[in-house]
Amino acid sequence: QSVLTQPPSVSAAPGQKVTISCSGSSSNIGNNYVSWYLHLPGTAPKLLVYDNNKRPSGIPDRFSGSKSDTSATLGITGLQTGDEADYYCGTFDSSLNAVVFGGGTKVTVL
Amino acid sequence: EVQLLESGGGLVPPGGSLRLSCAVSGFTFSNYAMNWVRQAPGKGLEWVSAISDSGRRTYDADYVKGRFTISRDNSKNTLYLQMNSLRAEDTALYYCAKFIKGGVYLGNGIDVWGQGTMVTVSS
Repeated sequence: QSVLTQPPSVSAAPGQKVTISCSGSSSNIGNNYVSWYLHLPGTAPKLLVYDNNKRPSGIPDRFSGSKSDTSATLGITGLQTGDEADYYCGTFDSSLNAVVFGGGTKVTVL
Repeated sequence: EVQLLESGGGLVPPGGSLRLSCAVSGFTFSNYAMNWVRQAPGKGLEWVSAISDSGRRTYDADYVKGRFTISRDNSKNTLYLQMNSLRAEDTALYYCAKFIKGGVYLGNGIDVWGQGTMVTVSS
């Protein structure tokens, strides 16, 4: 059972928008930065968003992050077939003194 | 080009030991805290351990405390994970990973990941 809660899956048609939620608590999301990762199993995960809403160089602005209280959201606009992957949120949990990840959300492009 | 290259994975019986290595290139290794993150077959990402840039401070997930030890040699640009008392549930692909910023704040994003090395614990 993950400390951070994500929906198991979301889907949308090409060109549409999806949002992925990440719910936590005051010991993690509520008082720490959130990051988002794209991952195809067996390959290296890719950082999409860090510090709640910043994108590393090379990440298109189709990907956006936001945070409110103890929840965070990743938005993907202009959905492409290449966006099909697992997406994870991550942050620091000060009670556990550990990095924590959500359980992952599988994005399917219909 | 920034690269992280893990090695040392393999098949080990329950109760056995293994030492993973991660050779780093393309950035100033001694300026960044580092992590080990794993993914068990069919499961999600799971953080294992982190170590400060100097190596003086380490952090571990509860499920590996007392069994796994993270360390680094900044003169060799190499990160290590010594794994003892291995269990079947430790079977996973283990990734070496770098924080995007210097400092040891564990809430920093992780921007560079290796390709992983597979550890299988089975008799």
